[in-house]
Amino acid sequence: DVKVTQSSRYLVKRTGEKVFLECVQDMDHENMFWYRQDPGLGLRLIYFSYDVKMKEKGDIPEGYSVSREKKERFSLILESASTNQTSMYLCASSSETGALNTEAFFGQGTRLTVV
Amino acid sequence: GDSVTQMEGPVTLSEEAFLTINCTYTATGYPSLFWYVQYPGEGLQLLLKATKADDKGSNKGFEATYRKETTSFHLEKGSVQVSDSAVYFCALSEGGGADGLTFGKGTHLIIQP
Repeated sequence: DVKVTQSSRYLVKRTGEKVFLECVQDMDHENMFWYRQDPGLGLRLIYFSYDVKMKEKGDIPEGYSVSREKKERFSLILESASTNQTSMYLCASSSETGALNTEAFFGQGTRLTVV
Repeated sequence: GDSVTQMEGPVTLSEEAFLTINCTYTATGYPSLFWYVQYPGEGLQLLLKATKADDKGSNKGFEATYRKETTSFHLEKGSVQVSDSAVYFCALSEGGGADGLTFGKGTHLIIQP
């Protein structure tokens, strides 16, 4: 089975903490993504990466950074967590840059609560 | 920019009812279109997809047809089951996959026995 694994299902962090959300995929995919999911807003793209050490801003990058040191791993970093970053975070991966019918595979999500 | 609009719900139906979830999109080019499903407590799974006009995607009794003239990709199922209760997301991809998917806000479907 293909897999995207997020390191934590639930996290509770304090305001101002530095938070790392980890994502690993075992499909040798080039592309990896971080989304956040909020009620009434759907999924919004935070950052994506199409290669090792490459990163691109999505629609809502403010307050976040990412790291992709290895092809299989894509980390989302909250430099100083704030309560408005309480959300469900979803990691995804896909293959074949340039292919229009690329399916994205998702992890199970990390529900982050910032108190 | 690209956008996807879908009915938000919740949509509540009885078992064996006919389901339609509307989805329309705005895109500059010729996107691929997807329906994803999210069961409670889980991530998103691809339900079906279509890559060009008039293509029909189908899976698990669900169908959707890519209608370029109406920029729509409505999801249908002839007879829903309680196990179909989930959140359904319509999405498009225009950037060759590397730019990510643009999602609708999701439709929460509740099927009552």
